[in-house]
Amino acid sequence: EIVMTQSPVTLSVSPGERATLSCRASQNIRSNLAWYQHKPDQAPRLLIHGASTRASGIPARFSGSGSGTEFTLTISSLQSEDFGVYCCQQYNTWPTFGQGTKVEIK
Amino acid sequence: QVQLQQSGPGLVKPSQTLSLNCNVSGGSISSDNYYWTWIRQPAGKGLEWIGHISTSGSNYYNPSLKSRVTISVDTSKTQFSLNLRSVTAADTAMYYCARGAFTGSAGWVFHYWGQGTLVTVSS
Repeated sequence: EIVMTQSPVTLSVSPGERATLSCRASQNIRSNLAWYQHKPDQAPRLLIHGASTRASGIPARFSGSGSGTEFTLTISSLQSEDFGVYCCQQYNTWPTFGQGTKVEIK
Repeated sequence: QVQLQQSGPGLVKPSQTLSLNCNVSGGSISSDNYYWTWIRQPAGKGLEWIGHISTSGSNYYNPSLKSRVTISVDTSKTQFSLNLRSVTAADTAMYYCARGAFTGSAGWVFHYWGQGTLVTVSS
């Protein structure tokens, strides 16, 4: 099983600031990584796949980077609707997810 | 717009079978290259992929759950189902259905999700 580790657990950010979230894989997953936004009482929303390709309808302020074992999700200027939990998922083998990073208002 | 609507009981007794359905609308459940998937999230933990069934009827399950899981599809009812046998309190979680797409010649990404069903295992 490929273990996905996210950091930090919680990130406090002011609206308009940049948020940088990290995701590490326990082994090489090439670029087979997706990011999701997950808000309370809502289904997860796909943001990024292929480590850096935005899903349909996702604003340009969301960007992903990385390959191999180290990945980053950047939100360039946080909007009020962006607060929530973000999780990464590898699909190099059967899917596994990280524990999530909670982005909260500072 | 594809929509997934979940249904099923929110309370299951220990040792019994957890059964959930997911109705698909706005797209064909028989379309090629989609994988009808179940994912769960215990409280305070990360998401856990349970498994999927392809439109051709092939199953792939999480190795840790494989002995207890069956995912099936009923194309006439445009729905797919999850059966998880011999449940314990450790199976208490929010359960989601999702449509997976094979991506990057590697694996599955989930573009559409159901609303989630909280299932509690308790007597």
